[in-house]
Amino acid sequence: QVQLQESGPGLVKPSQTLSLTCTVSGGSITSGNYQWSWVRQPAGKALEWIGRIYTTGRTDSNPSLTSRLIISRDTSQNQFFLQLTSVTAADTAVYYCTRDAQRFDGTWDVFEQWGQGTLVTVSS
Amino acid sequence: DIVMTQSPLSLSVTPGQPASISCKSSQSLLHSNGRTFLYWVLQKPGQTPQLLISEVSKRFAGVPDRFSGSGSGTDFTLKISRVETEDVGIYYCMQSIQVPRTFGQGTKVEI
Repeated sequence: QVQLQESGPGLVKPSQTLSLTCTVSGGSITSGNYQWSWVRQPAGKALEWIGRIYTTGRTDSNPSLTSRLIISRDTSQNQFFLQLTSVTAADTAVYYCTRDAQRFDGTWDVFEQWGQGTLVTVSS
Repeated sequence: DIVMTQSPLSLSVTPGQPASISCKSSQSLLHSNGRTFLYWVLQKPGQTPQLLISEVSKRFAGVPDRFSGSGSGTDFTLKISRVETEDVGIYYCMQSIQVPRTFGQGTKVEI
């Protein structure tokens, strides 16, 4: 059973860079019919998709964040990363890493696995 | 971006009774491959979100059969045939046909 675990600083100062790691166990981030995403949720608000990385290493991102966002990975550690630059209070949220998986019949189960989430607060 | 609009935003239900949530998308979610990329996610109080329904109507593993999804194009519905107390939480519809993936505002279901 795959498990995802987010880690990183819980407090980031305004204008600095938010950096998070998702460590994946029980499955490889480089093989299989999977995609790996970051999703965030400000307190009391709806979910927001940030971006994803494919098993090939290719990435997609939310255009609202693209200019500030880098999604990358370390295949040797089976980890993928989120870096968000020039943060403001609006970036305060619980950040989740997730996995999509494709069934044998071709159905995509989007966000079928979630990490427990990590709260990041942007404040001086 | 595709806008996902849910209704109602709040729903008070009685255990054992049915419940229904509507989701409308600003563009068709039907792909040229014939699949429709509409999903339902439930976030129970204090918990991580969990996938309920994939591609309009396909229950995810372990999801009780009292949950069903239907719809096509831009109009979708999640139905709970007989609500149980454990079904409380916020239900989100979500589309993945186009980047960025977008969620509805959420429907809060209370007993």
